[in-house]
Amino acid sequence: DSGVTQTPKHLITATGQRVTLRCSPRSGDLSVYWYQQSLDQGLQFLIQYYNGEERAKGNILERFSAQQFPDLHSELNLSSLELGDSALYFCASSGAPGDSPLHFGNGTRLTVT
Amino acid sequence: GQQVMQIPQYQHVQEGEDFTTYCNSSTTLSNIQWYKQRPGGHPVFLIQLVKSGEVKKQKRLTFQFGEAKKNSSLHITATQTTDVGTYFCASNAGGTSYGKLTFGQGTILTVHP
Repeated sequence: DSGVTQTPKHLITATGQRVTLRCSPRSGDLSVYWYQQSLDQGLQFLIQYYNGEERAKGNILERFSAQQFPDLHSELNLSSLELGDSALYFCASSGAPGDSPLHFGNGTRLTVT
Repeated sequence: GQQVMQIPQYQHVQEGEDFTTYCNSSTTLSNIQWYKQRPGGHPVFLIQLVKSGEVKKQKRLTFQFGEAKKNSSLHITATQTTDVGTYFCASNAGGTSYGKLTFGQGTILTVHP
């Protein structure tokens, strides 16, 4: 058990809809990362927050947004969903950005139909 | 942006054979991390290398960081069926994007008993 909690585990929704994925980091970790994993793309970095502030951004689509709240949990919002957004979305946390290893949650599997 | 290229993409071995995966970058890396993802699971941190020429061992696993800090390798001696999974290398972009941990495409290891 990594200590990182992601909900929901599975999500099935239709194209055009909006969903919210939630992540609670490991106790004491201030950094939260979001990754997208699809079969042909490996682990794609989306965005990172540190203590409530956005720290680094990857190839995150404009339809996607995220935030980290004062209690350090984070939410990833995906809107105007397309079939190609179907993937496994991982949240990870670490103590400090950069040097610390990432601890991954079990992921949310999103299926867009 | 920074990219880490990982080869091979797939590796099939007989149990007891050795296995090596390589990670290469065109730029100097500040550090390199290795992760393992079991089928259906999430990435799990294995090790971090930071020094030029560094070699670290974990039982049957040997990790190396190149002298120029542009490449790294993971070698497994006498593979076992429990070694099955995808092995990823990852590194930080550095600078203002220090929190952006970029993953290689991964090497999928299959071990035949």
